[in-house]
Amino acid sequence: EVQLVESGGGLVKPGGSLRLSCAASGFTFSTYTMNWVRQAPGKGLQWVSSITSSGSYIYYADSVKGRFTISRDNAKNSLYLQMNSLRAEDTAVYYCARTSVTTSTNWFDPWGQGTLVTVSS
Amino acid sequence: DIQMTQSPSSLSASVGDRVTITCRAGQNISSYLNWYQQKPGKAPKVLIYGASSLQSGVPSRFRGSGSGTDFTLTISSLQPEDFATYYCQQSYRTLMYTFGQGTKLEIK
Repeated sequence: EVQLVESGGGLVKPGGSLRLSCAASGFTFSTYTMNWVRQAPGKGLQWVSSITSSGSYIYYADSVKGRFTISRDNAKNSLYLQMNSLRAEDTAVYYCARTSVTTSTNWFDPWGQGTLVTVSS
Repeated sequence: DIQMTQSPSSLSASVGDRVTITCRAGQNISSYLNWYQQKPGKAPKVLIYGASSLQSGVPSRFRGSGSGTDFTLTISSLQPEDFATYYCQQSYRTLMYTFGQGTKLEIK
């Protein structure tokens, strides 16, 4: 079964740091682009960051650029999101998601169950 | 960034109704448009990818159409389990994805 399981969320003070992890299983992790998407309480989905299969290409949403770092360890089938200088507006459920592809398009499937990050003093 | 605008933001309908949700892209995205369904407390799941391809296991009452800048998601006959929030997503700008703001489908 293809599965993604996030961990590492919690309560952190403004200006603090947190590292999220996403453990992948059931597929060849090293061949897929992976992504982080977040959802603030009661709000919509916001793409956060993506990393290609080898880690050669990395992109961030402007709202997190310079503060968040996406990385992966293909030997451990794991995706990470290092979050520094956290702000109240970073409070959200963070999902990891795999990019599925055909020759003509791409989409996110599957998604993990999410991990909640709360930034508050 | 490619802006994605969904309408309506919310919608009330009854079981058995036919409903349509629209999504407009800020520029031509060809058929790089995906639709997701999200239920409260759950992760999103893909319904339609590539504007019109039905994800495996998704009921055939869901249909996606459109290309360029204008897209629609149609549910032909609403079932109780379809009441959820729906999001469109552009995947034209690979690695710089954007979602629509969502459409909440509620029971009338």
